[in-house]
Amino acid sequence: ILNVEQSPQSLHVQEGDSTNFTCSFPSSNFYALHWYRWETAKSPEALFVMTLNGDEKKKGRISATLNTKEGYSYLYIKGSQPEDSATYLCASLNSGGSNYKLTFGKGTLLTVNP
Amino acid sequence: EAGVTQFPSHSVIEKGQTVTLRCDPISGHDNLYWYRRVMGKEIKFLLHFVKESKQDESGMPNNRFLAERTGGTYSTLKVQPAELEDSGVYFCASSQVWDSYNEQFFGPGTRLTVL
Repeated sequence: ILNVEQSPQSLHVQEGDSTNFTCSFPSSNFYALHWYRWETAKSPEALFVMTLNGDEKKKGRISATLNTKEGYSYLYIKGSQPEDSATYLCASLNSGGSNYKLTFGKGTLLTVNP
Repeated sequence: EAGVTQFPSHSVIEKGQTVTLRCDPISGHDNLYWYRRVMGKEIKFLLHFVKESKQDESGMPNNRFLAERTGGTYSTLKVQPAELEDSGVYFCASSQVWDSYNEQFFGPGTRLTVL
C-alpha cells in the first residue's frame, strides 16, 4: 500500500504572504509526481507533473520542487491572493506490476484572507 | 476543446437504490479513470479503461459497483444497491497516453449522497 502524505492539512494566510506545502511519497518504483489545484465543485486542475530528481517547475506565482531520493516535493506560492484559495493535491505515480496508478494525498486546504 | 464532463453533478438517493454516473472523456482520449473521494479522505483510484477494456479494476470496492465503457467513448459507473458508505465525490479523468508521465485531465465530479 502506497501512502502519500501532505502537510499541513489546512492553512490560513493573509493576502500577500508567501507560503509552501509539503508532499511526501514513496520513492520506490517512482515515476512522476503530480500537483493539482482543486476548488470544490470544479475539476481538479493540473499544475505540474515532475519526474526527475531536482526538477523545479514554475507557473506564474506558483512553483514546485522534487526530491525523488528522499521522496518529497514542495509547492510554493509567492504573494498569495484570495483567488489562490483552494485545496492543493499531490499524487504520486508509482508502478505496480504493469500498471501505473495515481495515489493521492488528502490535500492542503489553503485559505487566503483579503 | 471540451474538457471531461460528468453527469449528474449531484445525486441524492436512499440506501438500497441504484444510481448510474456518467463520464464523457476528452475526445480522442483512450484512457479513462474513475476515482472516489470520501469526505475527509484522499481521492482513491477505482479503475482504469483503455478504450473499452478494463486495464485495472483493483480499486473497485465490491461487486455493487459496475463500470462500463461500451464502444470506448463515454463510461458509466453504476452502484447497485447503494449503501451509506458509498457517499462521496466520484471523479472521472482521461488521458491521451498511458505511460510513466500520465497527465490526466479531471472532470468536476459527481457528488453522491446516500441517505
